Amino acid sequence: ETGVTQSPTHLIKTRGQQVTLRCSSQSGHNTVSWYQQALGQGPQFIFQYYREEENGRGNFPPRFSGLQFPNYSSELNVNALELDDSALYLCASSLDGVAQHFGDGTRLSIL
Amino acid sequence: KQEVTQIPAALSVPEGENLVLNCSFTDSAIYNLQWFRQDPGKGLTSLLLIQSSQREQTSGRLNASLDKSSGRSTLYIAASQPGDSATYLCAVIDNYGQNFVFGPGTRLSVLP
Repeated sequence: ETGVTQSPTHLIKTRGQQVTLRCSSQSGHNTVSWYQQALGQGPQFIFQYYREEENGRGNFPPRFSGLQFPNYSSELNVNALELDDSALYLCASSLDGVAQHFGDGTRLSIL
Repeated sequence: KQEVTQIPAALSVPEGENLVLNCSFTDSAIYNLQWFRQDPGKGLTSLLLIQSSQREQTSGRLNASLDKSSGRSTLYIAASQPGDSATYLCAVIDNYGQNFVFGPGTRLSVLP
């Protein structure tokens, strides 16, 4: 059974740039959720995709967008990067939203 | 709006002690509650999942209880070991199953 994998592991960008983070879900899972974790805090829900459609969104602006592909892998896109976007971005996959399994995350640093 | 808090924020104990970590949530209409472990710079490892109809779950030295009516869960760690040092996060998922609401975590250090 392949777990959740995220790429890249680390990324450095500058303010105003755009970034794409990728997530491969665990085999058999049809739901992907994305979270942002600032240093010293718990993860904050960004959005969830279920069978290629957005299925819920947290309190994040529209410059945070996503995609889910037919193989249930997913992308998180962030436009017009701000310093506060520096965080660990976590992807979690599940079957129908139950018992989410997390990847190791992408550490994004904005200079 | 669901809010999750965890007490204590940090804990440092000698090896061998039994520990209790506390989690509180404001809205009792939850689908399930899950405890996670996070090592520095890493993702989350699921420890125990308690569905809303259950009172507790056990795995090895870990036991988690859930009291929905009072909005509380506890994670009990027996005979702590240095390898247990990590941040422990609790999270609740609402009845629509859309997303987790996480607490801020308890940072545990077990000293040899």
